[in-house]
Amino acid sequence: DTAVSQTPKYLVTQMGNDKSIKCEQNLGHDTMYWYKQDSKKFLKIMFSYNNKELIINETVPNRFSPKSPDKAHLNLHINSLELGDSAVYFCASSLPESTDTQYFGPGTRLTVL
Amino acid sequence: KQEVTQIPAALSVPEGENLVLNCSFTDSAIYNLQWFRQDPGKGLTSLLLIQSSQREQTSGRLNASLDKSSGRSTLYIAASQPGDSATYLCAVRGAGSYQLTFGKGTKLSVIP
Repeated sequence: DTAVSQTPKYLVTQMGNDKSIKCEQNLGHDTMYWYKQDSKKFLKIMFSYNNKELIINETVPNRFSPKSPDKAHLNLHINSLELGDSAVYFCASSLPESTDTQYFGPGTRLTVL
Repeated sequence: KQEVTQIPAALSVPEGENLVLNCSFTDSAIYNLQWFRQDPGKGLTSLLLIQSSQREQTSGRLNASLDKSSGRSTLYIAASQPGDSATYLCAVRGAGSYQLTFGKGTKLSVIP
């Protein structure tokens, strides 16, 4: 069984469009995350979210918004896509305790034309 | 602001060799440090997690050490195999935070 899944795996779209990436985890975790891996393979946190709080990296444009319909899902909505948004986006989840590792999804490769 | 640096950026070794990957971080106020493996086009797989109170963790041929006071960690891989070829990422979780700060990774190639 897949622990953390993301859809779609690939997403190609035009500048200015609005798109969403879905993430689901079946681990019963309380906390979920979105990361962006750029063309230089540098992985940066975008958001962390549990049922108590959303923490946003201050460098993330407000065109990006996480939406959590329930504890097992954290979707990423992106408005007015720009060329610089092209990257691989990873979802992850964990228990909030400091002892727990984060489990990553397979990634969504977004290409903005 | 936490910064994580990994040296070297790339490493190529013959099969069977023992090797060490290095990671350094600027803020010693951490909860834990993790080593991940990323294969091309794939997600991240957690290899080892060291709590801030621990000095090392071992899993099979992998051994990770942590020196929090000096802001350093090493990942030791014994008897390397071609299947170990991947990018290895070091990440620290800051005290009071859920979030991980990653290094840029070391790309390892093990030559048969």
